[in-house]
Amino acid sequence: AIQMTQSPSSLSASVGDRVTITCRASQDIRNDLGWYQQKPGKAPKFLIYAASSLQSGVPSRFSGSGSGTDFTLTISSLQPEDFATYYCLQDYNYPNTFGQGTKLEIK
Amino acid sequence: EVQLLESGGGLVQPGGSLRLSCAASGFTFSMYAMSWVRQAPGKGLEWLSVIGGSGGSTYYADSVKGRFTISRDNSKNTLYLQINSLRADDTAVYYCAKDQFNDWNAGFDYWGQGTLVTVSS
Repeated sequence: AIQMTQSPSSLSASVGDRVTITCRASQDIRNDLGWYQQKPGKAPKFLIYAASSLQSGVPSRFSGSGSGTDFTLTISSLQPEDFATYYCLQDYNYPNTFGQGTKLEIK
Repeated sequence: EVQLLESGGGLVQPGGSLRLSCAASGFTFSMYAMSWVRQAPGKGLEWLSVIGGSGGSTYYADSVKGRFTISRDNSKNTLYLQINSLRADDTAVYYCAKDQFNDWNAGFDYWGQGTLVTVSS
């Protein structure tokens, strides 16, 4: 199975900051990667698919990039509602695999 | 409006079995692959299994292969997950999730609220 490694595992930032989360695949997955946001006690929310395509209704401050093995999720200007845990998911093949998550906390 | 509603979770003893259900509405259920994802307390997300729209193709994570069985009844718009030989480390919230596209595995656009499975004696 493809392994997905996210970094950092946690991150402290302030409202208005620009933050970047990275995800590395153990093999080439083209651009078959998505990003999800999860808040405590809630189901994940779909943010980005195909590495850089913004899901409908997701604010434009979220963006994704990358291909092959290295990917990034960027939030251009953090808002209070963005503090959550973020996961990448490779859907290049089965079994799909998640990264271990990045917890974004308020500084 | 798309809705996914899981049920069937609860407290079960080690070695026991459970069948989870996910009732779907608001979309043409038979056209979309569906997956199960779980999250142990305080841990990350773990993809478990997927089933194609017709039910003809299934895939599993290595960690659950042989103990978990995914199935669907398109006449009832319902997805299932049969879990056997339950272990303490199966304790988790189990989510069902819908593929975004009907012909391309490109993420899950809708998720259920989750159902909690607790394995304990």
